Amino acid sequence: SQQGEEDPQALSIQEGENATMNCSYKTSINNLQWYRQNSGRGLVHLILIRSNEREKHSGRLRVTLDTSKKSSSLLITASRAADTASYFCATDAAGGKLIFGQGTELSVKP
Amino acid sequence: NAGVTQTPKFQVLKTGQSMTLQCAQDMNHNSMYWYRQDPGMGLRLIYYSASEGTTDKGEVPNGYNVSRLNKREFSLRLESAAPSQTSVYFCASSALTYNEQFFGPGTRLTVL
Repeated sequence: SQQGEEDPQALSIQEGENATMNCSYKTSINNLQWYRQNSGRGLVHLILIRSNEREKHSGRLRVTLDTSKKSSSLLITASRAADTASYFCATDAAGGKLIFGQGTELSVKP
Repeated sequence: NAGVTQTPKFQVLKTGQSMTLQCAQDMNHNSMYWYRQDPGMGLRLIYYSASEGTTDKGEVPNGYNVSRLNKREFSLRLESAAPSQTSVYFCASSALTYNEQFFGPGTRLTVL
């Protein structure tokens, strides 16, 4: 069964708007990671947030983690057409394996 | 620095045929992984190797075998392909099992 579940499954916005994606998980974690996948390509790591961190920034990306609610959010500010991709959260399971959610498909229209 | 490379990029097999997917990384990473991705689904872990000389099953290991040939290379073998194994296969590596993973470009496999 999937550890992480993203919401929404699909999101369509205009360039310049902010995009927010959410991830919920079931069991305790050491860290949570976000990845991006452009169509037909491999995944690219975006950001890792540890269980003792509440917020992390990287460029236009902002990730929050609420371990009490077992949830995380990824915010992309001032989105661009090039941000169009699928976004996955991944949580670490026993043994350090990553368990991926089903992803959020983001479409940014010019 | 090529990162993670996978061969082949595309493959079509008939039911019952066998094949090996190759993966290599040049980042001196300890851990390597094989995933499959099916339409509308996230990645599911098939097998992983936390370090050279060890391999462990992931979520969906049935029908697959792996070999960690050395620190650089991790291969995935389908002994008798089935249509249910039609998928995109990704190899990934990481310095340690809890670190960020680096992915290869994928192998698109169709089993007829």
